[in-house]
Parts: sequence; C-alpha cells; structure tokens
Amino acid sequence: QKEVEQDPGPLSVPEGAIVSLNCTYSNSAFQYFMWYRQYSRKGPELLMYTYSSGNKEDGRFTAQVDKSSKYISLFIRDSQPSDSATYLCAMVSRQGAQKLVFGQGTRLTINP
Amino acid sequence: GAVVSQHPSRVICKSGTSVKIECRSLDFQATTMFWYRQFPKQSLMLMATSNEGSKATYEQGVEKDKFLINHASLTLSTLTVTSAHPEDSSFYICSARDPLRAVYEQYFGPGTRLTVT
Repeated sequence: QKEVEQDPGPLSVPEGAIVSLNCTYSNSAFQYFMWYRQYSRKGPELLMYTYSSGNKEDGRFTAQVDKSSKYISLFIRDSQPSDSATYLCAMVSRQGAQKLVFGQGTRLTINP
Repeated sequence: GAVVSQHPSRVICKSGTSVKIECRSLDFQATTMFWYRQFPKQSLMLMATSNEGSKATYEQGVEKDKFLINHASLTLSTLTVTSAHPEDSSFYICSARDPLRAVYEQYFGPGTRLTVT
C-alpha cells in the first residue's frame, strides 16, 4: 500500500465548475500537507500548504485536511482553463528527513 | 520568492556517454537539495537527498554509482548520469530547501528533460 494515494484521473470539467481533488494517506506522522500544481514539462509549484485539520482558503482555492480520516482535499472554485494542469498532493513529517511524499498526481482539464 | 534554476532544460545524448545537470538556488542558500525523476504521466520519484558538504543519501533502488550527486556549495548541486542508457531517459527535477523557512517549503526547478539515444 502506498503511503499517499491520489486518483490519477484524468478529470475534465467545464469552465466555472467547482473541482474537488483528494488524497488519502496512511502515515499518521505526516504533519504538513501541500498541494502542488505542475504544468506540462515544468517543475511543480507550491499552491497551498496546511498544518492542522480544517480549511484554508486562498482566493479560488481551498485546502481541507481531516487528520482523523487521513484525508485531504483541494477545492477550486470558478475553475478557469488556465487551471488545467496536474495537481499533486504532498506530505512531510518532522521525522521524515524533510522528504516530501507525493501522490500520483491528478491531471485536470478545464474546458472553455 | 525563492527561485531554483536548472541547466540544461533539455539534453539529448548518446548511449554510453555521461550527462551533468545543474541545480542552483538563485536567491537563497540551500543546505539541502533533492533530486527527483518523473516518467510521463507519473508522479515524482525521489532519487536522493543532497546536503552541502557531505555525501548524498540515495533512495532504495537508486544506483549511486550511476547517478552521481555533488553538492559543492550552498547554491549548487549537480547530478551526473554516468554511462547513460535509453532507459535513463526521463524528466529530472531538483528542489531546494531554505533552512530559514519551514520544513515543508521546497522550491522546485523547472526540470531537465533527458533523452538518451
């Protein structure tokens, strides 16, 4: 069983839709939870990070963490074609030697 | 914001030759850098952790004699793929951590696409 599971998609939605991306994890030592966006043939860029259970909002993006269920989500409101990319969840623990553990990534396409 | 560069962005080499990829932190000193490889439509796979002034720590299954990592300064780490073979063709990405920032903050380079013919 992988430490972090993420549905690879692909996911295709119309412009303006609300997108929900999810990851589950098995290691209860994970303390920091990140979402990265990666455009084709580019390096990942950090979108959001969260530390505790609950919601964190940044513009059209909301990150949600439920530590009791070992489940994290990223919501994108009013999705735009420019949001089309691969979204990777990543996690790290203090004991994990700073190593990020990534999910498989979800390919998202927003159709105009 | 923190910027990490990689050079070259794309390289094609012949089987049996060696290729060096550079990773630089441009506006911060990175005591730790990470090297990943990514196959098409797959996630990032950590290859090794590079600490300035010491030997790199390789992940299980990664051949340290084939993938030589040198972190000679606080702003530069290099990955050399020795005796490259077509199966080494991949997208190689580095990331760097600023020790003054939180443990989760890693900044990724734009990646290097290696094609071995």
